[in-house]
Amino acid sequence: NAGVMQNPRHLVRRRGQEARLRCSPMKGHSHVYWYRQLPEEGLKFMVYLQKENIIDESGMPKERFSAEFPKEGPSILRIQQVVRGDSAAYFCASSPLASYNEQFFGPGTRLTVL
Amino acid sequence: AQTVTQSQPEMSVQEAETVTLSCTYDTSESNYYLFWYKQPPSRQMILVIRQEAYKQQNATENRFSVNFQKAAKSFSLKISDSQLGDTAMYFCAFLATSGTYKYIFGTGTRLKVLA
Repeated sequence: NAGVMQNPRHLVRRRGQEARLRCSPMKGHSHVYWYRQLPEEGLKFMVYLQKENIIDESGMPKERFSAEFPKEGPSILRIQQVVRGDSAAYFCASSPLASYNEQFFGPGTRLTVL
Repeated sequence: AQTVTQSQPEMSVQEAETVTLSCTYDTSESNYYLFWYKQPPSRQMILVIRQEAYKQQNATENRFSVNFQKAAKSFSLKISDSQLGDTAMYFCAFLATSGTYKYIFGTGTRLKVLA
């Protein structure tokens, strides 16, 4: 059973460009969570999605950031008009149930904004 | 709102010795899970150990054990017989069993095992 997949593993963007980060949850998992890790910090919750629904986006910046988890295909975290402060590692996690006792993490995408 | 505090930014230990990493948390929830994750330089988040709040018995996984004090809201990790491969960042995390099920992480402790 393949784990949580994230791609790309590394992404370099210039200021003002768009970044698209993809996450494929584990097979059978319909709950996806995105976390951001700024340099030398812990992971911070951004958004929680189920298929075709955003359940909790309380950790998402109000502007430039959006997330989706379509019926088919991976979950996408999109950052428009990136700025240097968006440079971070972005982790996706998945679980089979909302109340499951663990989330399974992908390897992360390291975004560097030049 | 829940918070997780790790008050030791960095620690070191000699190989084969024992080290304890501290974690305290604050919550009004009665049922929840607590975790310790290891993050090596590869940045992969690796689950070390998990504790259910309703279980009084401390969790143990080989060389890793916790001291869970629910009343004190304390959740420390003990690593016995430390190995060079234990060198990593260690994060304490809280997960409520109600609400939106998001992890709350501490700021981490950087552990270095010395040869």
